[in-house]
Amino acid sequence: KAGVTQTPRYLIKTRGQQVTLSCSPISGHRSVSWYQQTPGQGLQFLFEYFSETQRNKGNFPGRFSGRQFSNSRSEMNVSTLELGDSALYLCASSLAGQGVDEQFFGPGTRLTVL
Amino acid sequence: AQKVTQAQTEISVVEKEDVTLDCVYETRDTTYYLFWYKQPPSGELVFLIRRNSFDEQNEISGRYSWNFQKSTSSFNFTITASQVVDSAVYFCALSEAGTGRRALTFGSGTRLQVQP
Repeated sequence: KAGVTQTPRYLIKTRGQQVTLSCSPISGHRSVSWYQQTPGQGLQFLFEYFSETQRNKGNFPGRFSGRQFSNSRSEMNVSTLELGDSALYLCASSLAGQGVDEQFFGPGTRLTVL
Repeated sequence: AQKVTQAQTEISVVEKEDVTLDCVYETRDTTYYLFWYKQPPSGELVFLIRRNSFDEQNEISGRYSWNFQKSTSSFNFTITASQVVDSAVYFCALSEAGTGRRALTFGSGTRLQVQP
């Protein structure tokens, strides 16, 4: 069974630009969550999507948004990039059944903002 | 609010030594889940274990074992006979099921270096 895939793996942007990251979950998984990892703040939850709806949201500004498609693939978008947005963005998928499932992570997209 | 503390920033051991990674959590929820993840240099978080708040049984999986103690709000992870391949950053995480949130709250991680 293929794991979680994320594209692109590396991205370099300049301040003020916008970026879109993509995540394909494990087949059969309906929940996709996004996390930001930085040396200073560690791993922080961005948002979770389930059945094309945002179910949970972390404490990030509105510049960070996402969506999920009918095939469970998800994209996250960051507009008006700032230097502080440089981070590893990790996507995780889970079955999203009852309770709290194991979340399986992709390899991440490393975003550098210049 | 929930919180996970991993007080050990970095641990260095010699191969074959046993090592314990500490994790202390805070939550007001009675139903919660605890996780351990491994992050090798490649960056991908590898799932190791999930434990719910109603199951305090310790678990062993090969060289890995976990000790969950609700009385001290701890969920410690022990690697027996460490190997160089165990070198990675290890994260403890918490999810409060009672609130409906499935988000993971991570600790700051412990970097384990196993020297040959």
